[in-house]
Amino acid sequence: GIQVEQSPPDLILQEGANSTLRCNFSDSVNNLQWFHQNPWGQLINLFYIPSGTKQNGRLSATTVATERYSLLYISSSQTTDSGVYFCAVEQGGSYIPTFGRGTSLIVHP
Amino acid sequence: DTGVSQDPRHKITKRGQNVTFRCDPISEHNRLYWYRQTLGQGPEFLTYFQNEAQLEKSRLLSDRFSAERPKGSFSTLEIQRTEQGDSAMYLCASSLGDYRPTDTQYFGPGTRLTVL
Repeated sequence: GIQVEQSPPDLILQEGANSTLRCNFSDSVNNLQWFHQNPWGQLINLFYIPSGTKQNGRLSATTVATERYSLLYISSSQTTDSGVYFCAVEQGGSYIPTFGRGTSLIVHP
Repeated sequence: DTGVSQDPRHKITKRGQNVTFRCDPISEHNRLYWYRQTLGQGPEFLTYFQNEAQLEKSRLLSDRFSAERPKGSFSTLEIQRTEQGDSAMYLCASSLGDYRPTDTQYFGPGTRLTVL
C-alpha cells in the first residue's frame, strides 16, 4: 500500500514562531487532507488539498502532487496549536484515507 | 448539530471478554467510518458504511471484529474474545457521503479500550 511519511516527528516552538510540516507520499493520490488532533484526542480536518495552495487564517498548505509532497505552514504559533498534525491521502477514487504517523507539536508560552 | 458522539468513552475489560462500542453520527450523514489508533500512530482504517451497507473492510478487521449500522443511523463495533493487542483508541467519523470530491470527515471523541 501507499506509504505516508511525515517530518519532523516532533517539534517544539516558542509562541509566535513559524513552522513548516512536511508530508511525503509514495504514489499518486487523488486527495490529501491535513488534520489536527488536540491534546484531548479530538481530530479536526484543516484542509482538503490534493493540489495547489490554500490558506485559512494563520495556517496554509501547499501540495505538489507531481512531486508527491505537501507542506503545512503554521505562522505566529499559539499554545492552542499544540497537538499532533496528520497528513492523510486517498487513492483511486476511494474514500478511505491512509494516515501518516503525524508531527507532534508543542508550543510553549 | 451535536457532532459525532461515541459511547462509552473508556472501557476496561479482561482478556477474552466481548465489548461493544456505539457511534452516533451527525444526522443526515450517509457515510460512517471506524478507525483504530494506537499510541504514536495515525488512525488506521477499519471499515466504513454508506448508509446501512458496509462497503469496505480492512484486513485489520479480523473475524473477531464485527460492525453494523442498522437503518443507516448509529453504528456498533463489537470485538469478541478481546486480546491485549486490541487495546487502542477506537474512533468513529461521519461525512455527508454524497460522492463529492471533498467529503469532510467529522470525528467523534473516541472510545479508549484497555484489555487487561
